[in-house]
Amino acid sequence: EVQLVESGGGLVQPGGSLRLSCAASGFSFSSYWMHWVRQAPGKGLVWVSHINSDGSGTTYADSVKGRFTISRDNAKNTVFLQMNSLRAEDTAVYFCVRDTRTYMDVWGKGTTVTVSS
Amino acid sequence: SYELTQPPSVSVSPGQTASITCSGDELGDKYVCWYQQKPGQSPVLVIYEDMKRPSGIPERFSGSNSGNTATLTISGTQAVDEADYYCQAWDSSTAVFGGGTKLTVL
Repeated sequence: EVQLVESGGGLVQPGGSLRLSCAASGFSFSSYWMHWVRQAPGKGLVWVSHINSDGSGTTYADSVKGRFTISRDNAKNTVFLQMNSLRAEDTAVYFCVRDTRTYMDVWGKGTTVTVSS
Repeated sequence: SYELTQPPSVSVSPGQTASITCSGDELGDKYVCWYQQKPGQSPVLVIYEDMKRPSGIPERFSGSNSGNTATLTISGTQAVDEADYYCQAWDSSTAVFGGGTKLTVL
């Protein structure tokens, strides 16, 4: 079964850091681009970042550029999102998503990040 | 930055046809995907590359894209289709989502 399982969310103070992980199984992880997409409480989906299949290329939404870093370990079938200088507006459920190069076809259940003092 | 605009809400009676639009500058030149999200669940891809249905998605879901508008059409809408729907396209190596449309079946 194709599966993505996120972890690493939690409560963090403004200015703090958090590292999210996404463990993939059931498919050839190293063949796929991967994304992080977030959803603030009661709000819509917002794309955060993506990484290409070998990790050599990344892009970021303007709202997180310079603060967040996406990476992957193809040997461990895992993609990461390092989040620094967190703000209240980063509070959201963060979804890990698989990309076939034209569409996002598999979504994890998400991990919740709350930034609050 | 590129923007996709959706109506906040659409209502439809059971058995009727629901149409949800997504507007963006020269959107017809891009591939559009549609995602369905029910409360407390992760999004599910229902249409990709403008009009293709993933395996397991009912035939009542269809899509089109031309000019500045993409449309998700649900024919013979059922109560189980009540959900939020999001369009998505790519612009300059970034993914863009529409604001979402709440489909109410009443």
